[in-house]
Order: sequence, then structure tokens, then C-alpha cells
Amino acid sequence: DTGVSQDPRHKITKRGQNVTFRCDPISEHNRLYWYRQTLGQGPEFLTYFQNEAQLEKSRLLSDRFSAERPKGSFSTLEIQRTEQGDSAMYLCASSLASGQGNYGYTFGSGTRLTVV
Amino acid sequence: AQSVAQPEDQVNVAEGNPLTVKCTYSVSGNPYLFWYVQYPNRGLQFLLKYITGDNLVKGSYGFEAEFNKSQTSFHLKKPSALVSDSALYFCAVKGQGMRFGAGTRLTVKP
Repeated sequence: DTGVSQDPRHKITKRGQNVTFRCDPISEHNRLYWYRQTLGQGPEFLTYFQNEAQLEKSRLLSDRFSAERPKGSFSTLEIQRTEQGDSAMYLCASSLASGQGNYGYTFGSGTRLTVV
Repeated sequence: AQSVAQPEDQVNVAEGNPLTVKCTYSVSGNPYLFWYVQYPNRGLQFLLKYITGDNLVKGSYGFEAEFNKSQTSFHLKKPSALVSDSALYFCAVKGQGMRFGAGTRLTVKP
């Protein structure tokens, strides 16, 4: 297990379609995070999980967005009825919980979504 | 709420010169501060972190950062810049989820 994997790397979809992205974290990491990054901006926090529990959701995460981590391992992020404004890079990261001494995140390479 | 600010969108330095990328923070309690680097079409890579202890933190690729509590700053530094250091640099502060600054594009010219 060499890092955080995201699939697909690129996704082009038509407006109104649903898309789903997958993230496989580092296996021993119990926390998993989703971020969105648009060109020239820093990553914006969307949501995070500790094991299978979704502990925080940003106000950026509209009702069209849903994330799951059913078995506390991989996670999926679904966007329903995509809009052109959803075009961005979606980044996943994983980490140990803070109390376990490792505060840094390991990021995946991201999924670039283009809505046309 | 935890937040960081990066006052410079762009920093240009000549190869071999020292570089500084600025970051200021606003937190309640003790800050957990980080620097990440992003190369084109890549995810973010961890450079260094300040949790507690020495104010000068050393990280990857010869980078270091100085934590200054009185100025609420955490500037990234390198004594001698390389062309390969050209990238986007993000300062971040840890809350429930890591909060990032808007980023500073560093360009090192030969």
C-alpha cells in the first residue's frame, strides 16, 4: 500500500448526469477526507470520515453531493445532477486520528471533473 | 474558526537565492500548522508541520519554516532556491478538517 488512490483520474460528463468517484486510503488510516480544488485556489474542505462515520460536512456540500465509507475502508463521493460549477479537482486524503500522533494528511492525485 | 492566509499570490526568486513564502494564521488554542506543495496535475505533498517544540521546523527538500507566535506567522523558507522548487505552495491549519490557504505560486528562474 503505497498511498491514496483515486479513480478515475479524469471524468467528463454532461450537465445533469450523476457521477461517482472512488478513493482508497492508506489501509491503516482511519480518517478519510474529501476536498474540492478549483484552478488557482486552495483545496476546500467538503467532508471527512472516521472509520465509517461521517463526522463533519461543509456547507459547501449541497444536497446533490453525498459521500459514503460503508466499511471504513474505501469511500465514494457522488454528485447528482451535475452542474458546470461542479467542474473541479476532487481530492481525497487520509490520516490517522489526531490522538495517534500523525497529524499530516496523505493526498491522492485527485479526480478532475469537467461538466460540459 | 481556524484559518490561514497567504498574502502573496506569486513569489519570484532567482536560482540560488533564498526564498520565503509567507503565511499567517488565526486559531483558537494551540495551532497545528502545515506546508504542502503541489506540482502540476498532482495531489498535494506534505512538506513539514509545526505541532509543538522548536520554532524552526525542518522539512522535506531542504525547506524549513519558522513559527512566530507573536506575529501569528508560519513562513516557509529555503536558503538556496532551485528551479525544481517552482510549484504551488499551500499553508494549512488543522481543525476537524485541514483548512488551506489560497496558495502561493513560487517561480524560481535560472
